[in-house]
Amino acid sequence: GNSVTQMEGPVTLSEEAFLTINCTYTATGYPSLFWYVQYPGEGLQLLLKATKADDKGSNKGFEATYRKETTSFHLEKGSVQVSDSAVYFCALRGGTSYGKLTFGQGTILTVHP
Amino acid sequence: SQTIHQWPATLVQPVGSPLSLECTVEGTSNPNLYWYRQAAGRGLQLLFYSVGIGQISSEVPQNLSASRPQDRQFILSSKKLLLSDSGFYLCAWSLVPGAGGGYTFGSGTRLTVV
Repeated sequence: GNSVTQMEGPVTLSEEAFLTINCTYTATGYPSLFWYVQYPGEGLQLLLKATKADDKGSNKGFEATYRKETTSFHLEKGSVQVSDSAVYFCALRGGTSYGKLTFGQGTILTVHP
Repeated sequence: SQTIHQWPATLVQPVGSPLSLECTVEGTSNPNLYWYRQAAGRGLQLLFYSVGIGQISSEVPQNLSASRPQDRQFILSSKKLLLSDSGFYLCAWSLVPGAGGGYTFGSGTRLTVV
């Protein structure tokens, strides 16, 4: 079945540092890939997505590229802010579980001033 | 535009008491609906999903049940809560069909069983 593996956290950075959160997946076919963000005490918000190989999703300075050859969808941001502190979830939809979203375990990001 | 409402936002219930969490979606028809639970410090676990009125699929055996009495209403229930039912419960919807689309989540209910 489908699975998503994220780098273990928590990740702690200083403001303006470069961020990478690794995400790899296992799925058959051509799943769609997503990054969701959860701010403290809130539900999940879609941050960005990519629906086919080599697509780059981007939003709020965050980027992720759908790499089918390495089955990866790593999240990056060139300069993080304190307001980016949140939990980030990588997810996929499709493959053997059409319609259902499979999440990674989440990565806690804390950005200090 | 589509919106999803989930309530209550927080709930403290004694062990053995019943539970009812409600989720409604506006601005769309025949959505797929989902209930997730997020235990403290852990990831998201899919509990139930529904592709139509009265159609419920359970992902994990547990002390909870779900119902979909109307097209855009999804209810999570329990007859007797356990301590282990504590967590953050999230409702979500998605369009059918469309593996390319993501889910839209509600703001969640934080349940504490005491």
